[in-house]
Amino acid sequence: QVQLVETGGGVVQPGRSLRLSCAVSGFTFSKYDMNWVRQAPGKGLEWVAAITDDGINKYYADSVKGRLTISRDNSKNMLSLQMNSLRAEDTAVYFCAGSRSGWSDRYFDYWGQGTLVTVSS
Amino acid sequence: SFVLTQPPSVSVAPGQTASITCGGNTIGSDSVHWYQQKPGQAPVVIMYYATDRPSGIPERLSGSNSGRTATLTISRVEAGDEADYYCQVWDTSSDHWVFGGGTKLTVL
Repeated sequence: QVQLVETGGGVVQPGRSLRLSCAVSGFTFSKYDMNWVRQAPGKGLEWVAAITDDGINKYYADSVKGRLTISRDNSKNMLSLQMNSLRAEDTAVYFCAGSRSGWSDRYFDYWGQGTLVTVSS
Repeated sequence: SFVLTQPPSVSVAPGQTASITCGGNTIGSDSVHWYQQKPGQAPVVIMYYATDRPSGIPERLSGSNSGRTATLTISRVEAGDEADYYCQVWDTSSDHWVFGGGTKLTVL
């Protein structure tokens, strides 16, 4: 059974940091590119960051570049998102999502249920 | 930056056909994917590479892509189809994933 479980969300003050994790099971993590996608309350989906299966290549949305860092540990089947210098506009549910590697334009096969990050003073 | 444009809402009576469009400058040559999201749930892929259905997705759903518009068509709409629908494209010029703004399908 495929499972992606995000943790680490919560309430944080503007300018502070937070680290999200996504624990994966049920598929071969090391053969999947992984992504973070967020959804602000009542809004649409926004892609945040991607990392290739080997962890070498990383891509970021312009809105988060330089503040958020995606990483993975294939030995632990874990995806992470280090979030620094958080802003109110980063408030959203953060989903991790995976796509089978080998094609840059492959759809997201699997999604987690998301974790809520609220940036507020 | 690459933008995908979807109508904010589409309404249709049960049994009728709903068409949800996704517009983009070069979308006809891009690989377009569609996701369905119900309230409080994660998105689920319902159409990939414009016209392919994942296993378990009913044949009532179909897709097309040409010119500047990709279309998701839902035939014989049911109450259970009420959800938000998003298109998605990989923008090769920026190495970014792009989502459309989403369309809320209401079944009257």
